[in-house]
Amino acid sequence: AQKITQTQPGMFVQEKEAVTLDCTYDTSDQSYGLFWYKQPSSGEMIFLIYQGSYDEQNATEGRYSLNFQKARKSANLVISASQLGDSAMYFCAMREGRANSKLTFGKGITLSVRP
Amino acid sequence: EAEVAQSPRYKITEKSQAVAFWCDPISGHATLYWYRQILGQGPELLVQFQDESVVDDSQLPKDRFSAERLKGVDSTLKIQPAELGDSAMYLCASSSGILTATYNEQFFGPGTRLTVL
Repeated sequence: AQKITQTQPGMFVQEKEAVTLDCTYDTSDQSYGLFWYKQPSSGEMIFLIYQGSYDEQNATEGRYSLNFQKARKSANLVISASQLGDSAMYFCAMREGRANSKLTFGKGITLSVRP
Repeated sequence: EAEVAQSPRYKITEKSQAVAFWCDPISGHATLYWYRQILGQGPELLVQFQDESVVDDSQLPKDRFSAERLKGVDSTLKIQPAELGDSAMYLCASSSGILTATYNEQFFGPGTRLTVL
């Protein structure tokens, strides 16, 4: 089974509107972390937000928030007030166990922001 | 702001040739990762170093790929001989390696885009 599932093939959003990017995960570990990265066409991976498995509050970082539903094993990224510069690939990733373990990435979602 | 450096940014080579990629992590970062990202996919780990030691190379095709981090600082990833299927983005990342850190986020370099003809 895939550890990280991102099934939305591509998303479109109007500038200044909010958008939700879906991510479900699969793990038997009790301790894990969930990350979202943004990858513009230039190729670099930009860290956006982190949610720990023991965190009771949903993570927020500026316009980014993570809708963490542990029982459903979902960690959806919400981007509020979309900007043209948000157009990029977005990857959900999971780290299991130790804090320096590898990241397992999903296949990514393409987000296009329309003016 | 500290960054992960990688070179070259782009590399075109013919199959059966040797190629090498270099990565310089953020100063003081003990953990270094090499990921491969095939077009349209998410990155997948090739090899992970803790200081100069290999922690995980289970997905590294060892018949043609090698990686080293001799002094526990910068690292080199080599492919010999290159095959058509090796065309991908090769991403280097580093993290502090502090096991008690909550985030311990990985910082990525700009990547090396390899094309094998």
